[in-house]
Amino acid sequence: EVHLVEAGGGLIQPGGSLRLSCAASEFSVSSSYMSWVRRAPGRGLEWVSMIYSGGSTNYADSVKGRFTISRDNSKNTVYIQMNSLRVEDTAVYYCAGAFGSSDSPFDFWGQGTLVTVSS
Amino acid sequence: QSLVTQPPSASGTPGQRVSISCSGSTSNIGSNSVNWYQQFPGTAPKLLIYSNSQRPSGVPDRFSGSKSGTSASLAISGLQSEDEADYYCAAWDGSLNGPVFGGGTKLTVL
Repeated sequence: EVHLVEAGGGLIQPGGSLRLSCAASEFSVSSSYMSWVRRAPGRGLEWVSMIYSGGSTNYADSVKGRFTISRDNSKNTVYIQMNSLRVEDTAVYYCAGAFGSSDSPFDFWGQGTLVTVSS
Repeated sequence: QSLVTQPPSASGTPGQRVSISCSGSTSNIGSNSVNWYQQFPGTAPKLLIYSNSQRPSGVPDRFSGSKSGTSASLAISGLQSEDEADYYCAAWDGSLNGPVFGGGTKLTVL
């Protein structure tokens, strides 16, 4: 059974940095389209970033220049490095995966990890 | 403000049929497939409908999806109390070069 486990969330001050990880099992992240999606308190889902099977990356305008998505194929893990964090980045961050192509639906999701940006 | 618009809330009584709308533009729904996700409080979203109207294995046929032009709709027939959740439509957006979610609709079963 496909499984995604996120880790790395926590409380961080504005301007700080945090790295989230998403460990995958029963499939290869290198052959999938992996995204980070977040849900801020009282708000809806927001796509944050994607890493394509070929290694290309893309970002929402709200995080471009501050967040970096990457993967380690040997660990079958996807990461997102979040720098210059803002209060409005507070959210539950989900790792989500899709097979097929970049516009395929998110077939599977992790349980989420909470990031709280506050002084 | 999301590029894709959903009503913030919807409601129905057990056994009723409810519909949730999703309105976008030519850069997203108008030119790409629509997917729907269901999310219960404190849990991860789950794919409910893909490619406008297809159900993944295990999703009851009470759930159905449709798309016309730049709008889409999710219908739930024979409403049950366990259907109470948040529902999101999503589609690839060619201008954003990424997926865009609707704002979400909170479904209440009265």
